Formats: sequence, structure tokens, C-alpha cells
Amino acid sequence: DQQVKQNSPSLSVQEGRISILNCDYTNSMFDYFLWYKKYPAEGPTFLISISSIKDKNEDGRFTVFLNKSAKHLSLHIVPSQPGDSAVYFCAASLRSSGAGSYQLTFGKGTKLSVIP
Amino acid sequence: GAGVSQSPRYKVAKRGQDVALRCDPISGHVSLFWYQQALGQGPEFLTYFQNEAQLDKSGLPSDRFFAERPEGSVSTLKIQRTQQEDSAVYLCASSPGQAEETQYFGPGTRLLVL
Repeated sequence: DQQVKQNSPSLSVQEGRISILNCDYTNSMFDYFLWYKKYPAEGPTFLISISSIKDKNEDGRFTVFLNKSAKHLSLHIVPSQPGDSAVYFCAASLRSSGAGSYQLTFGKGTKLSVIP
Repeated sequence: GAGVSQSPRYKVAKRGQDVALRCDPISGHVSLFWYQQALGQGPEFLTYFQNEAQLDKSGLPSDRFFAERPEGSVSTLKIQRTQQEDSAVYLCASSPGQAEETQYFGPGTRLLVL
């Protein structure tokens, strides 16, 4: 049973427009969320994160929105650039679990293609 | 500065062979994680170290998988008697402290078991 779901395997966006990547989760105990970007043959690169006490976090062209009641988060990229073309992974963790492990639970990823 | 490095980058093994995958975390990072990423999937947690202590190994799929970090820096993931379903990319990640959520990933080792 997948606890973090990215239901869109792929997304194509015109350069300069907004890219919106979505992520849903089922475990209400998750309290920290991250987005990673991955190019082929490379490891995931951290992009942006958000704590469950916030509903928005912004860093340059990237904004993450969190809707706890809907157990949904989204990543907005504005404006989209061809270099943003990559696979984007949503991840969640139980920071306050006290269990001694801070493992990340990942979605399956969404492949973003930004068309010049 | 240097990021997380992993070796080898690619490994082809015959079924039944033992393999050892190495991870060099970012210098000074306390926490180290191993993940397994199958084709078309997201990374899945295998095990976690805080310094040399293996605090969580709940994600290891079988007793053929073993990980160690004897001096609290370099870590080795060993897979004994490899099987075809072990074919995947094995990712290592490190983070500065025990409660630091941002994990920094290495490039991964792609393992193919024939």
C-alpha cells in the first residue's frame, strides 16, 4: 500500500509557463515533506521542503503548497525552463516519531518535460 | 565541497554471487541511509545508521542483505547469493545530524543480476 502517491507519471509544459506537480499521502502522521529532482544516471537532488506546521514555502521559482486536511501537496515551478526537465519525487517523513529513524517515503515520481 | 560518492557505479553479477556496494557520505555527516530503487519506482528505504550504530534495518528485504558502517563514516551494503529481483539502483544518502530531514543522495550503484 503506497503511502505517498504521485498519480501523474508525466507532465509536459511549455517553457515560461507554470508547472504544477501533485502528490497525495495517506499517513496523517507524516509531518515533513520534501521534493527531489532527479536527472538520468544521477542521484536525487533536494529541491524544497515544507513542515506540516506551514502551508506554503517558497524558494525562487519553486513553491510548495501543503493542504493537510486533503493530505495533498503540490510543487509549482514558475516560470518553467528547459533545464527543469527531470523526474520529480515527492517524499515524506515522520520527523517527530521519536523512533530513531528519519527514513523518507517516496512517491513513484513524475517526469516533467519543459518544451522550448 | 565533495558530495556523497558511491562505488562501483555499475555492477553486473551472476545469480548466486555476493556483491558489496560502497558509500562515502559527506564528511562529518552523522546519519547515513540506504535506499533501493527499482525501475519505474521511487526509492525505498532499506536501513539507517547514526554514526556507527545501525538504528533501523526494517527495510532490508531479506537476511541476504547486510549493511555496516564500522567507523561511522564509510558504509558497505552487502548482498549475499544475489537473485534477479535484487536488480535495482542502490542509493546512499547522508544528512548532517540525527534530526536533519534533508538527505543528500549519491549517484547510486546500478546492480544487474543475470
